[in-house]
Amino acid sequence: GNSVTQMEGPVTLSEEAFLTINCTYTATGYPSLFWYVQYPGEGLQLLLKATKADDKGSNKGFEATYRKETTSFHLEKGSVQVSDSAVYFCALSVGTNAGKSTFGDGTTLTVKP
Amino acid sequence: SQTIHQWPATLVQPVGSPLSLECTVEGTSNPNLYWYRQAAGRGLQLLFYSVGIGQISSEVPQNLSASRPQDRQFILSSKKLLLSDSGFYLCAWSSGSSNQPQHFGDGTRLSIL
Repeated sequence: GNSVTQMEGPVTLSEEAFLTINCTYTATGYPSLFWYVQYPGEGLQLLLKATKADDKGSNKGFEATYRKETTSFHLEKGSVQVSDSAVYFCALSVGTNAGKSTFGDGTTLTVKP
Repeated sequence: SQTIHQWPATLVQPVGSPLSLECTVEGTSNPNLYWYRQAAGRGLQLLFYSVGIGQISSEVPQNLSASRPQDRQFILSSKKLLLSDSGFYLCAWSSGSSNQPQHFGDGTRLSIL
């Protein structure tokens, strides 16, 4: 079956620190990969995505590269801000599966000033 | 542009009472629709999904049911709520393609007393 394993949180960083949130996956088939962000009390929003090997998704200073050889899609940001404090979810979607996605458990990031 | 609406935003219900949560999508036709539950500090649990009017697939047997009476309307129901039904309920839609993300509503916070 399909699964997504995320780095366990919570993660606490100081403003302007470098962020990495690890994500590895197992999939039957060739998945598309996504990072979503959830701010307190809200639904999830797409942060970035990659649909094939070696693609790099990027948005708002966040980046993640689809690494097929290591089945990974780690999220990085060079300099975090207090406003980046949120829960981050890695997810995958494969083939003709009604568009269903498999989500990781989420990683809570807190950025302190 | 497409939008998704969920209501109510918060709900407090006594044990044994009925439930109806509604979700509507605008700006797209024949979306795939999903209901998730998110327990406090946890990941997403897919409850139901639908690929068309009147079609419902259940992922987890439980006290809840779902219906899709119109193309862009998705309803989550229960005849008798349990304490364990408390949580944050999220509705989402997608085009059904694996390389496209899901789009989430803002969620309903359900508390059972």
